[in-house]
Amino acid sequence: QKEVEQDPGPLSVPEGAIVSLNCTYSNSAFQYFMWYRQYSRKGPELLMYTYSSGNKEDGRFTAQVDKSSKYISLFIRDSQPSDSATYLCAMSYSSGSARQLTFGSGTQLTVLP
Amino acid sequence: NAGVTQTPKFRVLKTGQSMTLLCAQDMNHEYMYWYRQDPGMGLRLIHYSVGEGTTAKGEVPDGYNVSRLKKQNFLLGLESAAPSQTSVYFCASRTGDEQFFGPGTRLTVL
Repeated sequence: QKEVEQDPGPLSVPEGAIVSLNCTYSNSAFQYFMWYRQYSRKGPELLMYTYSSGNKEDGRFTAQVDKSSKYISLFIRDSQPSDSATYLCAMSYSSGSARQLTFGSGTQLTVLP
Repeated sequence: NAGVTQTPKFRVLKTGQSMTLLCAQDMNHEYMYWYRQDPGMGLRLIHYSVGEGTTAKGEVPDGYNVSRLKKQNFLLGLESAAPSQTSVYFCASRTGDEQFFGPGTRLTVL
C-alpha cells in the first residue's frame, strides 16, 4: 500500500465548476501538507501549503486537512481553463533537516471553456 | 534570476551508456533534490543533498550516483543506463518549506 493515495482522474469539468481533488495517507507522522500544480511538460510549482487541520483559503483555492481521517482536499472555485494541469498532493514529516516530500500520483484536470 | 535549471532537456541513451544530468540553482539554497516522475507513480526521490559536499539516498537510489561539489550545482549520474531508467527527471532546491523545481529532463533508454 502506498503511503499517499490520490485519485488519478483524469477529471474534466466545464468552466466555472467547483473542483474537488483528494488524497488519503496512511502515515500519521505526516505533519505538513502541500498541493503542487504541474502544467504539461513543466516542473511542479507550489500552490498551497498547510500544517494544521482545517481549511486554508487563497483566492479561488481552498486546502482542507483532516488529520483524524488522514484525508486532504483541494477545492477550486469558479474553475478556469488556465487551471488545466496535473495537481499533486505532497506530504512531509520532520525527518532531520531534509524535509523529504512524499507525493501522490497526481490528478490530471481539464477545464473546458 | 533563472531559478532552477536543468541540462539537457532531452536525451536518448542506449542500454549500458552513461550520462550526467546537471542541475543548477542561483537562489543560494542549501537543500537540493533529484526526483524521477513516471506515469501513475508520482514523483519519487532518488537522492538529495543538505549542503555542499553532502549527499544522501532517497526512496529509489539504485543505479544512480550524485555529487554536490559546489553549492549551486547538483549532478545526477547514470553509470550504466537501463530501460527501467526511462523517465522524466526533476531537480529541486528548497528554502523553508517550499521546493522549487526545474523544468525536467526527459530521458529515454533504448
